[in-house]
Amino acid sequence: AQRVTQPEKLLSVFKGAPVELKCNYSYSGSPELFWYVQYSRQRLQLLLRHISRESIKGFTADLNKGETSFHLKKPFAQEEDSAMYYCALRRGGNEKLTFGTGTRLTIIP
Amino acid sequence: GAVVSQHPSRVICKSGTSVKIECRSLDFQATTMFWYRQFPKQSLMLMATSNEGSKATYEQGVEKDKFLINHASLTLSTLTVTSAHPEDSSFYICSGSSPYSYEQYFGPGTRLTVT
Repeated sequence: AQRVTQPEKLLSVFKGAPVELKCNYSYSGSPELFWYVQYSRQRLQLLLRHISRESIKGFTADLNKGETSFHLKKPFAQEEDSAMYYCALRRGGNEKLTFGTGTRLTIIP
Repeated sequence: GAVVSQHPSRVICKSGTSVKIECRSLDFQATTMFWYRQFPKQSLMLMATSNEGSKATYEQGVEKDKFLINHASLTLSTLTVTSAHPEDSSFYICSGSSPYSYEQYFGPGTRLTVT
């Protein structure tokens, strides 16, 4: 069975400082990894996925198969980055998503 | 991006009654819809996966007779909580999956309170 672990429930970072939200997964195959974000009082939305290797709102995430990690990074935090972040795994195609427990990121002005 | 709506956004019902939550994909055909439950300050827990025209596939531990899911069309899925009890109070979220990208688009959620 697949599992996603986000070790930090809460993370506070000063504005302008680098951000790293950790995500580790366990799955024997080749999964698809995603980061979702939920801003206050808004719905869950896709932030980025590993297969597209893009940078969204300054965030990047690299899939490290050796370490089974998919950490989310941003070099300079902004106040509007404060939100709940969820790492998620999917076996492929139209399969279900397995979510981590989430990390609440707070950017300190 | 694609839009998914849910109705109602909030509902309060008495213990023992049933309540229906609708999930609609507004601008795309969702061949697959997913229903999640989210407790306060916790992650989303998948309850069931429904494919249009088929019976839903429930996750382990989810009572299919209590949480009835119907996916009768490519744009509508419903979740009916039957004989609701206070422990069913939660935030219920649906998502629709685009058949082209398989990206899941999430609804805004429905807050159910059972008194």
